[in-house]
Amino acid sequence: SAVISQKPSRDICQRGTSLTIQCQVDSQVTMMFWYRQQPGQSLTLIATANQGSEATYESGFVIDKFPISRPNLTFSTLTVSNMSPEDSSIYLCSVVPRRGATQYFGPGTRLTVL
Amino acid sequence: GNSVTQMEGPVTLSEEAFLTINCTYTATGYPSLFWYVQYPGEGLQLLLKATKADDKGSNKGFEATYRKETTSFHLEKGSVQVSDSAVYFCALVSNAGGTSYGKLTFGQGTILTVHP
Repeated sequence: SAVISQKPSRDICQRGTSLTIQCQVDSQVTMMFWYRQQPGQSLTLIATANQGSEATYESGFVIDKFPISRPNLTFSTLTVSNMSPEDSSIYLCSVVPRRGATQYFGPGTRLTVL
Repeated sequence: GNSVTQMEGPVTLSEEAFLTINCTYTATGYPSLFWYVQYPGEGLQLLLKATKADDKGSNKGFEATYRKETTSFHLEKGSVQVSDSAVYFCALVSNAGGTSYGKLTFGQGTILTVHP
């Protein structure tokens, strides 16, 4: 398995501002993902964070709104830009330690936008 | 595309009752199947998994069998405890390669509440 930490664990932000969420893994992993869990809902994949190149976004998510970086095999950031109350969600990063392995999740970042 | 359908919740049980949460899926190829659990205020934890047909995943008294013929992966526990109260998510990942590789598709989640 992998030990995953996220910062911040929660935040309350004002409309129109941006927040960067960090995801740190204790070992090198092949794949990293970012998910959103809106209140009372299931998880929706935002994007795959690719090491050293641009992230791959799912339908309905765009780079201008959710820029992602992955400078190495243990770290990634997700920025939620120009926030609105509709962005209030839990944001989770997940990792696949190696090809074919189980996916593990970080503890999540609970974001509230006022 | 891939999809996962879970039984509607919430589910409310008394301690020591039998639990079943139904999960069916649609996928290309032969996906791997998972149950994740989310305790109040926490992130997702892997509960159990099965990677091929007829495999049975088990953990903490929970079981689920990968049924290819019925495209199902129902979660069961013989005697639930108050501490099992959580949201349970059924999920699959395609092993077919290509752009879907590694991406989890989740069901809508089932809230379980167990009363003493």
